[in-house]
Amino acid sequence: DAGVIQSPRHEVTEMGQEVTLRCKPISGHNSLFWYRQTMMRGLELLIYFNNNVPIDDSGMPEDRFSAKMPNASFSTLKIQPSEPRDSAVYFCASTLGISNQPQHFGDGTRLSIL
Amino acid sequence: AQKVTQAQTEISVVEKEDVTLDCVYETRDTTYYLFWYKQPPSGELVFLIRRNSFDEQNEISGRYSWNFQKSTSSFNFTITASQVVDSAVYFCALSAGTGANSKLTFGKGITLSVRP
Repeated sequence: DAGVIQSPRHEVTEMGQEVTLRCKPISGHNSLFWYRQTMMRGLELLIYFNNNVPIDDSGMPEDRFSAKMPNASFSTLKIQPSEPRDSAVYFCASTLGISNQPQHFGDGTRLSIL
Repeated sequence: AQKVTQAQTEISVVEKEDVTLDCVYETRDTTYYLFWYKQPPSGELVFLIRRNSFDEQNEISGRYSWNFQKSTSSFNFTITASQVVDSAVYFCALSAGTGANSKLTFGKGITLSVRP
């Protein structure tokens, strides 16, 4: 079975550019989560969706970050404009919608903003 | 509010030693779920185990075992006869409440280095 698929795996871009990260959850999962991992702050939940609806975006750092889930099989996390402090590994995870189920993570996108 | 504390930040052991990774959690909910994840050097996050608040039975899976104690709000993870391949960052996580509004809170992680 295919796991959570994220693209790209690596992204290097200059500050000020728009960055779009993509995620395809596991088929049948109806909750999707975006996390950011840095050495300083560890794993932080940015936003999560249930049945394509954003439930909690309190972790989104600022207005430069936005996320969408237009359908059950696709989500994007966009940063515009990007800044060097956005450099991190961004993970997408999916699960079958309730708290007792483990989240399954993608391989992450390593983002470097120069 | 919910919180997960992994007080150990880095542990280094020699192969074949046993090692225990500590996890202490805080939540006001009576229904909650605890998880351990492994992040090897390759970077992916791998689910290891889930335990719910109503099941205090310890679990053993090969060289791995987990000790859940509600009295001390702890969910500790022991690796017996450690191997170099066990070198990774290990995260404990908590999900409290029910329904779509619950979310996973991770600890800061413990970096385990197993030396040959």
